[in-house]
Amino acid sequence: AQTVTQSQPEMSVQEAETVTLSCTYDTSESDYYLFWYKQPPSRQMILVIRQEAYKQQNATENRFSVNFQKAAKSFSLKISDSQLGDAAMYFCARGPSDNAGNMLTFGGGTRLMVKP
Amino acid sequence: GAVVSQHPSWVICKSGTSVKIECRSLDFQATTMFWYRQFPKQSLMLMATSNEGSKATYEQGVEKDKFLINHASLTLSTLTVTSAHPEDSSFYICSASLRGLAGGLYEQYFGPGTRLTVT
Repeated sequence: AQTVTQSQPEMSVQEAETVTLSCTYDTSESDYYLFWYKQPPSRQMILVIRQEAYKQQNATENRFSVNFQKAAKSFSLKISDSQLGDAAMYFCARGPSDNAGNMLTFGGGTRLMVKP
Repeated sequence: GAVVSQHPSWVICKSGTSVKIECRSLDFQATTMFWYRQFPKQSLMLMATSNEGSKATYEQGVEKDKFLINHASLTLSTLTVTSAHPEDSSFYICSASLRGLAGGLYEQYFGPGTRLTVT
């Protein structure tokens, strides 16, 4: 089975500081997509950032950026200037290349706590 | 745009009864919808993939006769939990697949989830 692993069940960061969440994955494909989703207490899944495997440049979305290491199959999320609203569960996910049945495989999640 | 709704948001039912959960894509047509189950403090587990007009594809270990999925239109998929038992109590999340405007990646848009409690 192709898996996604998040080795940090919980992380804590001081408000305004930077935190990095880790994710590794397994795949036999050369082209695929990687995602980070945020699930706040409301439990609504929110897409934070996506990375296309064939792109070498790391994706960035405002305070969120990724460190994508394709050879190492690593996809970490960096949150800069952490805010109280960033407190949530974060899930790393992998999806296949472009097709309609794009089943996502999720990691186990990391609970991020932000200290004021 | 790309909003997915679920109804109900929370349902309590008695053991042995059936309950239906609706998933709607409000402003787009989704050829593919997905149903997930999430236990407290755990990740999302894919239950089945639903394609409009065809039978759902269930993941290994998911009882298709217990979790009936119907994808009758491009904007509606339903999950019916039949003969519910307390162990079916969980959070059920649906998502709908939509291709990006520039082509390429099919994004998944998630509904807000349905909390099922079986007493």
